[in-house]
Amino acid sequence: GQQVMQIPQYQHVQEGEDFTTYCNSSTTLSNIQWYKQRPGGHPVFLIQLVKSGEVKKQKRLTFQFGEAKKNSSLHITATQTTDVGTYFCAGGNSGSARQLTFGSGTQLTVLP
Amino acid sequence: GAVVSQHPSWVICKSGTSVKIECRSLDFQATTMFWYRQFPKQSLMLMATSNEGSKATYEQGVEKDKFLINHASLTLSTLTVTSAHPEDSSFYICSARAGAGAGEQYFGPGTRLTVT
Repeated sequence: GQQVMQIPQYQHVQEGEDFTTYCNSSTTLSNIQWYKQRPGGHPVFLIQLVKSGEVKKQKRLTFQFGEAKKNSSLHITATQTTDVGTYFCAGGNSGSARQLTFGSGTQLTVLP
Repeated sequence: GAVVSQHPSWVICKSGTSVKIECRSLDFQATTMFWYRQFPKQSLMLMATSNEGSKATYEQGVEKDKFLINHASLTLSTLTVTSAHPEDSSFYICSARAGAGAGEQYFGPGTRLTVT
C-alpha cells in the first residue's frame, strides 16, 4: 500500500531560525495536504497542493510539491513560538474514496 | 469554517464493555467521514472510511466486528468499540469531508479512550 515518510521526526530550533520538514511518498500522489496539530489538539488543515511543481506561500510558510508528485516540503521562515506543534503531510490517492495517508509527522519545538 | 464535533471527549470504561463515539458535522453535510486512531506522539492511522447510507470500508488489519461504524446521516457517524480491551486505549479522531473530491478534511477534537 501507499506509504508516506516524513523527516525529521523532531526538530528543535531557536526562535527566528528557519525550519523545514520533508515528505516522501512511495507512490505518485494525486494531491498532498499539510496539517498542523498543536499539543493536545487535533489536526488543522493548512493547505493542499495538486499540481506538479506547485509552490504556495502562506505568510512565513512555503509549501512545495515535487515535479514527480511524490515528495513535498514545508518551510517556515523565522520561526515563532506560535509555530510549535506537529506538522503532518498527508498524501491523497486517486481512488474513489479519496483517502489520505498521513506521514509520521515532524514535531517542532521553538525555543524562545 | 467547517466544524466537526466529537462526543465524548474522553471516556474510561472497563474491559469487556462497549463504547460509542459520535462524530458530527455541525455546519455542513459530510458525504464522507473518516475514523483515525492516534497513539501518543505518533501519526494518524486511518481505520475506516464511511459514506452516508453505505457500509464502511475498513483498512487492512482493522476488525470490522470490533470497530462498528454507522454513518446514518450526512451529519453523523458513530464508532462503537465493542468488547473493549486495554490495548484499544487510544485517541480516536474523526474527520469529515463535504464533497466527493480530494478536498480538505475537517477534524473533530478527538476522543481519548482508556480501557481499564
